[in-house]
Amino acid sequence: KQEVTQIPAALSVPEGENLVLNCSFTDSAIYNLQWFRQDPGKGLTSLLLIQSSQREQTSGRLNASLDKSSGRSTLYIAASQPGDSATYLCVVYNFNKFYFGSGTKLNVKP
Amino acid sequence: GAGVSQSPRYKVAKRGQDVALRCDPISGHVSLFWYQQALGQGPEFLTYFQNEAQLDKSGLPSDRFFAERPEGSVSTLKIQRTQQEDSAVYLCASSPQRGPGLTEAFFGQGTRLTVV
Repeated sequence: KQEVTQIPAALSVPEGENLVLNCSFTDSAIYNLQWFRQDPGKGLTSLLLIQSSQREQTSGRLNASLDKSSGRSTLYIAASQPGDSATYLCVVYNFNKFYFGSGTKLNVKP
Repeated sequence: GAGVSQSPRYKVAKRGQDVALRCDPISGHVSLFWYQQALGQGPEFLTYFQNEAQLDKSGLPSDRFFAERPEGSVSTLKIQRTQQEDSAVYLCASSPQRGPGLTEAFFGQGTRLTVV
């Protein structure tokens, strides 16, 4: 069974810092990987989707990388803002199913 | 609609009561998933539909849980004789793809079920 682990579980940084969230998975035979953010009481907002053949995707201040062979992905957030405060979830897609990490809870202090 | 819609948003049930949670996927999406998210945890897979066919129900925690998608669009997750451990957020997702190469999924806002 695919296991997805996210480190750290929680992170608190001052506004303006660059930061990296880590995701690792045990089965490298994935189709793609997606990063979401989850705000309290709200659903999941898709941030970046990386196909298995890709190595990275960028959107604004966000950059996600994927290394399938080592079973790792990172989400880089540049110049963090208080509005970035949320839980970030890494989701790995296998056939007919996707597996979630337990998330990194980010707090960006003004 | 523009996105995946779930109803109700919040549900409080007395222990032993039956509940039904509804998911309206994005129109035309083939795949539909249900996930259960306990407080402070990542979502856990419950079941998967491809059109009206329930291809995987391996994540349903007990026979009190039942899901259907009779016409390949709207889906209902039913929980019979609710127990306190059923308290969680139930997320529904849909995707336009089927089978291998399953790509992006779109999530609803979830239904928060509290069993008292």
